[in-house]
Amino acid sequence: GAVVSQHPSRVICKSGTSVKIECRSLDFQATTMFWYRQFPKKSLMLMATSNEGSKATYEQGVEKDKFLINHASLTLSTLTVTSAHPEDSSFYICSACTSGSCHEQFFGPGTRLTVL
Amino acid sequence: QKEVEQDPGPLSVPEGAIVSLNCTYSNSAFQYFMWYRQYSRKGPELLMYTYSSGNKEDGRFTAQVDKSSKYISLFIRDSQPSDSATYLCAMSGGNDMRFGAGTRLTVKP
Repeated sequence: GAVVSQHPSRVICKSGTSVKIECRSLDFQATTMFWYRQFPKKSLMLMATSNEGSKATYEQGVEKDKFLINHASLTLSTLTVTSAHPEDSSFYICSACTSGSCHEQFFGPGTRLTVL
Repeated sequence: QKEVEQDPGPLSVPEGAIVSLNCTYSNSAFQYFMWYRQYSRKGPELLMYTYSSGNKEDGRFTAQVDKSSKYISLFIRDSQPSDSATYLCAMSGGNDMRFGAGTRLTVKP
């Protein structure tokens, strides 16, 4: 149980385009999903917390107009990187929790974004 | 001082060795302590989950939490080459959750 998928697993795009990444909880309903960014050999950096049916809460320093998050259902959250630039190239990982306390998070496999 | 400190390694051990991975933290509000394993280019996978102080064992893995010292450990017995990965500690309390930087472990056959 507690499987989280992400799509696509890898994407290469040109600078200036927008990229959408989907995060799905496959066998449970996730009231809360998280979006992380991870640089090589670095830890996870929380970008935002997404609650179903409400606006995402962004961490300090994360541009909400650049990283659009939509959590339209209990099993799907999307992250859209708008007007992507090479510095946005990174590994993006989502996670979801099965209860309101969210002390356990189940992670997706990640999406490798490369912006040319 | 970072909220969570974890030695990034790399740590290299021979197959069969006992591995000790550690994290320290500063926020006394943390109550839940987790260890995640992350293979290269994959998402983290939850290994162990402990509430408050004490030990928890699962097969070859043992998690220890010492809240008085703000110190947590993960022990891997009879390490295998398949254990080669990055191990991330994580802890949460209230609405706050923090991850360590991860320790890269290599188990050599």
